[in-house]
Amino acid sequence: SQQGEEDPQALSIQEGENATMNCSYKTSINNLQWYRQNSGRGLVHLILIRSNEREKHSGRLRVTLDTSKKSSSLLITASRAADTASYFCATGYNDYKLSFGAGTTVTVRA
Amino acid sequence: ETGVTQTPRHLVMGMTNKKSLKCEQHLGHNAMYWYKQSAKKPLELMFVYSLEERVENNSVPSRFSPECPNSSHLFLHLHTLQPEDSALYLCASSQEVFAGTLYPELFFGEGSRLTVL
Repeated sequence: SQQGEEDPQALSIQEGENATMNCSYKTSINNLQWYRQNSGRGLVHLILIRSNEREKHSGRLRVTLDTSKKSSSLLITASRAADTASYFCATGYNDYKLSFGAGTTVTVRA
Repeated sequence: ETGVTQTPRHLVMGMTNKKSLKCEQHLGHNAMYWYKQSAKKPLELMFVYSLEERVENNSVPSRFSPECPNSSHLFLHLHTLQPEDSALYLCASSQEVFAGTLYPELFFGEGSRLTVL
């Protein structure tokens, strides 16, 4: 299976701090995506990074990709209460299959 | 608002019931998906449709029956389910299923929370 695995499973931080979570995968990918899911809601696409990119930014989000280590990281800077959610990485796996991990649950304390 | 609407948001059914989940996308996309999300588990891809044609059936039991009458609507018909089928069922759409080497961005609905008694 090529599904990504997020680490840690859960993360609790103080508002204003940075949050970092990692994703590891098993075989070569074409691109990797990060999604956010608020409790009981659908997933929302955050950012896509291609295999020939090493870093990408979107607002307070920074994603890195290390294809040699088969890993990616998502950094949320200056966290806010609204960032409380689960975060998933998704990797391409054969045709049609975008595989998701079990997610990292982030809690931002006021 | 992602442009993908799922109904109902919550459904409780007995094991002998027959019910359906509905998904509608207003984005003009050509591909639609059903995913199952159980607690603490990775999302499981169930079915993929491209231009109303099923292109993936990921070893899903026959008690789940998908239907895609057009590229904007997707149904999941449920019958004789088991308690372990209780989960959040997510519908998603994308512009295309797979564009060369680029896996598309998925747009998800809010999900249908299913409880099987």
